[in-house]
Amino acid sequence: GQQVMQIPQYQHVQEGEDFTTYCNSSTTLSNIQWYKQRPGGHPVFLIQLVKSGEVKKQKRLTFQFGEAKKNSSLHITATQTTDVGTYFCAGSAGSTLTFGKGTMLLVSP
Amino acid sequence: ETGVTQTPRHLVMGMTNKKSLKCEQHLGHNAMYWYKQSAKKPLELMFVYSLEERVENNSVPSRFSPECPNSSHLFLHLHTLQPEDSALYLCASSPRGRGANTGELFFGEGSRLTVL
Repeated sequence: GQQVMQIPQYQHVQEGEDFTTYCNSSTTLSNIQWYKQRPGGHPVFLIQLVKSGEVKKQKRLTFQFGEAKKNSSLHITATQTTDVGTYFCAGSAGSTLTFGKGTMLLVSP
Repeated sequence: ETGVTQTPRHLVMGMTNKKSLKCEQHLGHNAMYWYKQSAKKPLELMFVYSLEERVENNSVPSRFSPECPNSSHLFLHLHTLQPEDSALYLCASSPRGRGANTGELFFGEGSRLTVL
């Protein structure tokens, strides 16, 4: 079945440093979504990418979808303590949305 | 307020108990989902309902029984659970059901289940 791998599993940065998480799918995706889950919270939708090579920005967050539509990345510039949480990618192929294991981000002040 | 409400938020039950989790969405969405979230595992899709019809059942043990009486409500009935079933159970809804683009998922805050 479809697999979505996400790396790293965990990253601890100093406030102000950049952060990137990568997502790779075993199959070509029709779209990919990104979610953020704060500690003790629930996943919250961030963005959806649909087109090959698509790049979208939300303030300090930059999302990319690979040309082959099998990989994606989320980059945070100059992290802040409010960025703490687990970031999940979720790839859709057909009718199935498959989540990665997530990358847990810790930010020290 | 996410538009998706789950109750109870916390539940402790013995292996012989019968309990139910409830989910209600106020977003007018057509699809509802149950996910299981355990430590160090990806979100596991359990069931999908699209327009009140169950369209996906990911080999979930029969001790979990879903019910979708209408497009706004979803239940997960639990009986004779095992300790390894302890997890956060998340309900979600999306504008569209099956298809290449379901739209974003709106998650509830989850029901934290502990099975003793």
